[in-house]
Amino acid sequence: GAGVSQSPRYKVAKRGQDVALRCDPISGHVSLFWYQQALGQGPEFLTYFQNEAQLDKSGLPSDRFFAERPEGSVSTLKIQRTQQEDSAVYLCASSLMRPTSGAQETQYFGPGTRLLVL
Amino acid sequence: TQLLEQSPQFLSIQEGENLTVYCNSSSVFSSLQWYRQEPGEGPVLLVTVVTGGEVKKLKRLTFQFGDARKDSSLHITAAQPGDTGLYLCAGSNTGKLIFGQGTTLQVKP
Repeated sequence: GAGVSQSPRYKVAKRGQDVALRCDPISGHVSLFWYQQALGQGPEFLTYFQNEAQLDKSGLPSDRFFAERPEGSVSTLKIQRTQQEDSAVYLCASSLMRPTSGAQETQYFGPGTRLLVL
Repeated sequence: TQLLEQSPQFLSIQEGENLTVYCNSSSVFSSLQWYRQEPGEGPVLLVTVVTGGEVKKLKRLTFQFGDARKDSSLHITAAQPGDTGLYLCAGSNTGKLIFGQGTTLQVKP
């Protein structure tokens, strides 16, 4: 079946421009995560949705970052007034169930959107 | 703040050699996962370990979870060029993943 898809795959933005990154999770997956990955580094957690509810946004680096999942399926990560330090790969992951303490539901990652801010 | 330290960060070896990658933390995790990531792709799960002292084998890859569930290792036997990639460990307690900084492995033919 289809995996997690993200679009666009590449985005070049001028500093100050707003961008929107889309994630299509695996159909039926309840949980959706966004991560930011700098070049040569491991991904860092940004935010988490359970269905349409944003339950954790502790990793969003500033109020310029905003994420939504209005119908509990597709999610959009929006970055306003982009800065050069926002340049990174933005990864989306989905899992079937909601997380439970002591168990780890497998997260399936999309290919990421590579954002370059000039 | 929970952190995972991976070592080494870079590893370049010849085909046929063995290697070990380490993942250490001062925090306890309920589970720890190992991922492999190819350029331009998202991480792909290799294994999940949940029990202290657990050892899992996946062909030439052996994964170990420390007794205290704070550290883990990945051992590759007889590395092949196809093993080249970025290896990531990630710990979890609440669902969100805390990743190490990754180990870039290059296996030369």
